[in-house]
Amino acid sequence: DSGVTQTPKHLITATGQRVTLRCSPRSGDLSVYWYQQSLDQGLQFLIQYYNGEERAKGNILERFSAQQFPDLHSELNLSSLELGDSALYFCASSEGPHLSSYNSPLHFGNGTRLTVT
Amino acid sequence: TQLLEQSPQFLSIQEGENLTVYCNSSSVFSSLQWYRQEPGEGPVLLVTVVTGGEVKKLKRLTFQFGDARKDSSLHITAAQPGDTGLYLCAGAVSGGSNYKLTFGKGTLLTVNP
Repeated sequence: DSGVTQTPKHLITATGQRVTLRCSPRSGDLSVYWYQQSLDQGLQFLIQYYNGEERAKGNILERFSAQQFPDLHSELNLSSLELGDSALYFCASSEGPHLSSYNSPLHFGNGTRLTVT
Repeated sequence: TQLLEQSPQFLSIQEGENLTVYCNSSSVFSSLQWYRQEPGEGPVLLVTVVTGGEVKKLKRLTFQFGDARKDSSLHITAAQPGDTGLYLCAGAVSGGSNYKLTFGKGTLLTVNP
């Protein structure tokens, strides 16, 4: 158990809709990262928050947004959903602001499987 | 953009066999990580290698970082069904005070009893 909690585990919705994915980081971790995993693209970094502030941006679409709340949980909002948005969405957390494999390794949740029909 | 190519994409073997999977790039990495992801779960960090030529062992798993820090390999001895999973490599590039971590697409290993 990584200590990172993601809800819901599965989500099925229609094109054009909006969904919110939720992540609670491991106790003591201040950074939250969002990743998208699909068969053709692999694991793609979307965005990082540290202690409530956006820290780094990856391949995140403009239709997607995220935030980290004062209690450090994070939400990823996906809007105007398209069929191609179907994927596994992972949240990961780490202790510090810098993604360092030594002092601040990544701990992944078990993901939310999003299916857009 | 640093691309990591993992091979083979799929590997199905019998229990007790040995195997090696590869992670290659044209880019130089500050460090390289290996993760294992089991069905329905997130990736779990197995090891981090830092120095060119470094070899690390984790029970039956041997990880090697290439001399030029552009490639890595994972060798499993006497594979067991519990080794089944998606093996991901991730290369870290230092961008100032922060690392950028790029993942390969993985090798899906199935060990049959």
